[in-house]
Amino acid sequence: GAVVSQHPSWVICKSGTSVKIECRSLDFQATTMFWYRQFPKQSLMLMATSNEGSKATYEQGVEKDKFLINHASLTLSTLTVTSAHPEDSSFYICSARDSASSYNSPLHFGNGTRLTVT
Amino acid sequence: GENVEQHPSTLSVQEGDSAVIKCTYSDSASNYFPWYKQELGKRPQLIIDIRSNVGEKKDQRIAVTLNKTAKHFSLHITETQPEDSAVYFCAPATEYGNKLVFGAGTILRVKS
Repeated sequence: GAVVSQHPSWVICKSGTSVKIECRSLDFQATTMFWYRQFPKQSLMLMATSNEGSKATYEQGVEKDKFLINHASLTLSTLTVTSAHPEDSSFYICSARDSASSYNSPLHFGNGTRLTVT
Repeated sequence: GENVEQHPSTLSVQEGDSAVIKCTYSDSASNYFPWYKQELGKRPQLIIDIRSNVGEKKDQRIAVTLNKTAKHFSLHITETQPEDSAVYFCAPATEYGNKLVFGAGTILRVKS
């Protein structure tokens, strides 16, 4: 079945540094990928929609200059948390759908990245 | 935007009993209604979904029912087992399921 690989699975960084998270569709192409954030014991909140070859669409309240998204190919989207602060510590999850499949096909989620900012 | 409410927030049942979780949404344009199961520290996994032209769908012990008029859909788990213990999220969507809006989640505990 379709697999979405997310890397790294966990990362610890110091306050003020930047962290890049990769989301890859391993056996399918995805023109659109989605980035979610999940704080402990909370729900998944959509941060942005990543569009291959164009700018990402950010949800209300999400700072586009802080959470940089690049979707340079049909199989890779990256999320960079710039100047990270402890309040950015969270579980970041990406998802994607096979562009070649019908709209009825489900979204596939990556395994998530646990970010801890010290 | 879509407002999603999920009830109950926690649910404890005895092994073998049934569990029902309800999700209410606001956007009448929603046309895709999935339920996800998430275990601690892991990604959400799709367990069942339904499209707006179907009222009920069943897959073994799991079923989803949809009432588009009332804008709610429910997850039904029968003969619950300890491994069903997890957090369950509804995530209604428009745009044919691309942009999911997750409910707050329901913690299901199945006691053996």
